[in-house]
Parts: sequence; structure tokens; C-alpha cells
Amino acid sequence: GQSLEQPSEVTAVEGAIVQINCTYQTSGFYGLSWYQQHDGGAPTFLSYNGLDGLEETGRFSSFLSRSDSYGYLLLQELQMKDSASYFCAAINGGATNKLIFGTGTLLAVQP
Amino acid sequence: NAGVTQTPKFQVLKTGQSMTLQCAQDMNHEYMSWYRQDPGMGLRLIHYSVGAGITDQGEVPNGYNVSRSTTEDFPLRLLSAAPSQTSVYFCASSYSVEYEQYFGPGTRLTVT
Repeated sequence: GQSLEQPSEVTAVEGAIVQINCTYQTSGFYGLSWYQQHDGGAPTFLSYNGLDGLEETGRFSSFLSRSDSYGYLLLQELQMKDSASYFCAAINGGATNKLIFGTGTLLAVQP
Repeated sequence: NAGVTQTPKFQVLKTGQSMTLQCAQDMNHEYMSWYRQDPGMGLRLIHYSVGAGITDQGEVPNGYNVSRSTTEDFPLRLLSAAPSQTSVYFCASSYSVEYEQYFGPGTRLTVT
């Protein structure tokens, strides 16, 4: 089967740095994406890692290690508006063309 | 551009009823997909399509049908609604599975 594991909840304070981990087990792995979802809203795309290493987009960075089946999302200079759920999603390319989401991590940013 | 639109926003069904959730996009995306999200849970893939005339099953396809007669539209049909199908349904589109997925606002479905 396919599965992506994330911590269920993370709490941090404004201005801090937080890392949200994602471990995956999936066949035909092609890459890892990250999405943000505010309560009641639609998910929005944050980043994509098709190769091993770090991708940086402003305050957000994402990392992938294929050999460890592991990735993480790093959020820097946390703001209250970053309070949301964060999902990793594994792309199964080739014949399957599926995007499978993880269980999600609820991030609470405190003043 | 309207992006990805979904109708209706809210729907209440009785057990056994059928209905179609509409999804449309105006970005000329080939890849479209349907997800359901239960409270406090992640998104689970129901069906997806890589282009007009091509559809395939996702993780939880039972009880749902899809078709893709045009690039723009990807309706999801509930054949005989059950309380277990109470959920929020999101449609998404993109150029391909490895690109950024654009999600619609969702349809909140309650089956009584």
C-alpha cells in the first residue's frame, strides 16, 4: 500500500522556526509536494521536490531524501497566519499518475 | 480566469439518493482529480483523469463514478448516497500530476 506519515500537531511561537516531517512508503515514487490548508478552506500549493535536497521559497523550505523515504517542510519567521494544516503529498508518476496525501499536521502558532 | 469552480457549495441528501457534483476549470489543464476530506483527516483520492476520455480510480473509488467528456469538466456522481459519504469534496486541476494542483472551494455534503 501507500502511506505518508506526519506528526498530527505541532506548536510553535511567533518568530520561531518549525520543521514538519513526512515519511512515505509508496510505489513508483516521483516526487513530494507540500500543501497548506487553513480551516474550512481549500488546500494551496507550497512547494515541490522532484530531486533530493533543499528547495527554498521565501520563508518556506522543503527537503527530500529519496534514500531515506523522508522529507520535511521548514517554516521560518513564523507568523500567526501560518497557523494551518500542512500536508505532504507523494506523486506516483509513470502509469499511475496519482497524488496521495499524508495525514496532515496541524500547526498552531502562539504569540 | 475563474480557476476551479465547484457546485453546489453545500448539499444535503437522503440515503439512497443520487447526485452529481460539478467541477470545471478554465486553465486548459489536462489533469483533474477528486478528493474527499473527512473531519480532521487528510485528503483521499477518489478518481482522477489525465485528459479528456481518460479516467482512473484512486484510493477510495467505491460508490462514485466519473467521466471526462471535455477538458474543462470533471463531474463526480454519487450513485446511491450513504451516510459514510458525508464529507467535504474537493476537485483539483493541473497541467500534470507533478505540477501544482489548483483546488476548488469544495462541496460540503451531508447524507442523512
